Amino acid sequence: DQQVKQNSPSLSVQEGRISILNCDYTNSMFDYFLWYKKYPAEGPTFLISISSIKDKNEDGRFTVFLNKSAKHLSLHIVPSQPGDSAVYFCAAKKSSGDKLTFGTGTRLAVRP
Amino acid sequence: GAGVSQTPSNKVTEKGKYVELRCDPISGHTALYWYRQSLGQGPEFLIYFQGTGAADDSGLPNDRFFAVRPEGSVSTLKIQRTERGDSAVYLCASSLLRTDTQYFGPGTRLTVL
Repeated sequence: DQQVKQNSPSLSVQEGRISILNCDYTNSMFDYFLWYKKYPAEGPTFLISISSIKDKNEDGRFTVFLNKSAKHLSLHIVPSQPGDSAVYFCAAKKSSGDKLTFGTGTRLAVRP
Repeated sequence: GAGVSQTPSNKVTEKGKYVELRCDPISGHTALYWYRQSLGQGPEFLIYFQGTGAADDSGLPNDRFFAVRPEGSVSTLKIQRTERGDSAVYLCASSLLRTDTQYFGPGTRLTVL
């Protein structure tokens, strides 16, 4: 039972344009969401997070949007840069809990 | 500052052998987590330590897997009688407190032949 889903295994965008990565979840107990970026042969690197009491969180070029009623979140990267090329994982947890539940990842390629 | 470190970075073993994977968390972090990432999948939770005790081991797949953190810092994940299906990248993460952001190490790639 995949509780966190990233339905797009890959995404390719032009440098300077917007990248939008999507994530859906099924467990209504999740109330804290995170995005991690992963380069080959490295561990996941924390990018940005959002609590369920918010619907938007912004950090520089990265913005995460949360739609609780749809159980959907998205990560926007504007403008996209070639160095953003990596695998992006969506993760969810209960704020009172410990373990993260990850999606299967989306591979982003930013073309120069 | 130093991040989470894991050793070895790669481990190749034969089916049936015993392996130990080590994790050094960020200094001062009380919470430590182990995850396993198989090819094409996201990391999957194995076990969580708060201090020296395993607070949640619900993700360990079976009793061949065991982990310890005797002094509340370094942790060792132990796998007995390895099987080919155990081949994966084993990731360790730590956080200052249980509810804080988890920071991951580079992982240990385990290959069971």
